[in-house]
Amino acid sequence: EVQLVESGGGLVKPGGSLRLSCAASGFTFSNAWMSWVRQAPGKGLEWVGRIKSKTDGGTTDYAAPVKGRFTISRDDSKNTLYLQMNSLKTEDTAVYYCTTDIRGCGGDCYSDWGQGTLVTVSS
Amino acid sequence: EIVLTQSPDFQSVTPKEKVTITCRASQSIGSSLHWYQQKPDQSPKLLIKYASQSFSGVPSRFSGSGSGTDFTLTINSLEAEDAATYYCHQSSSLPFTFGPGTKVDIK
Repeated sequence: EVQLVESGGGLVKPGGSLRLSCAASGFTFSNAWMSWVRQAPGKGLEWVGRIKSKTDGGTTDYAAPVKGRFTISRDDSKNTLYLQMNSLKTEDTAVYYCTTDIRGCGGDCYSDWGQGTLVTVSS
Repeated sequence: EIVLTQSPDFQSVTPKEKVTITCRASQSIGSSLHWYQQKPDQSPKLLIKYASQSFSGVPSRFSGSGSGTDFTLTINSLEAEDAATYYCHQSSSLPFTFGPGTKVDIK
């Protein structure tokens, strides 16, 4: 069974930093393209970014609002995905979901999601 | 960036009724359009991939159609458990984007 478990959310002041983790199990993590999607309170889904598998280059892509501030990385030896968030703004307040396409989307859609972790940016 | 618009924003429907949700893309995206269901306080779930392919385990009353810029999610014979917000999502070009969502409420 595919499991994605996010952690690391919490309250942080504007300008601060936070690192989210996503522990994966039930599939071959090293083969998976992994993504982060966020959802501000009461709002819709927003794509944050993704990281390809190392086999496919391990490259990252980001949405414009987070580019240059957020960094996605992975540790395949620990089956863990990370989201390093720097220079946080109040508008980054959201539930952050870890997601993957491991069940047959070829990197394009999201077959499995974690439960999400809440990040609150406030003074 | 490709912008997705959905209509309607909200729909209140009686059980067994048919529901149609549309998603329009600001430019052609081929069939790179996917649909998700999100119930309150839950993570989204994939329903339809590549415009019309049902995802594993999804009830057959959910179907998708369309290509290019216009897409439709249909729920035949709505059940009470289908009360949720439905989102479309394009993966044709980066950055990937989601539609604003359509909330379906049961009368």
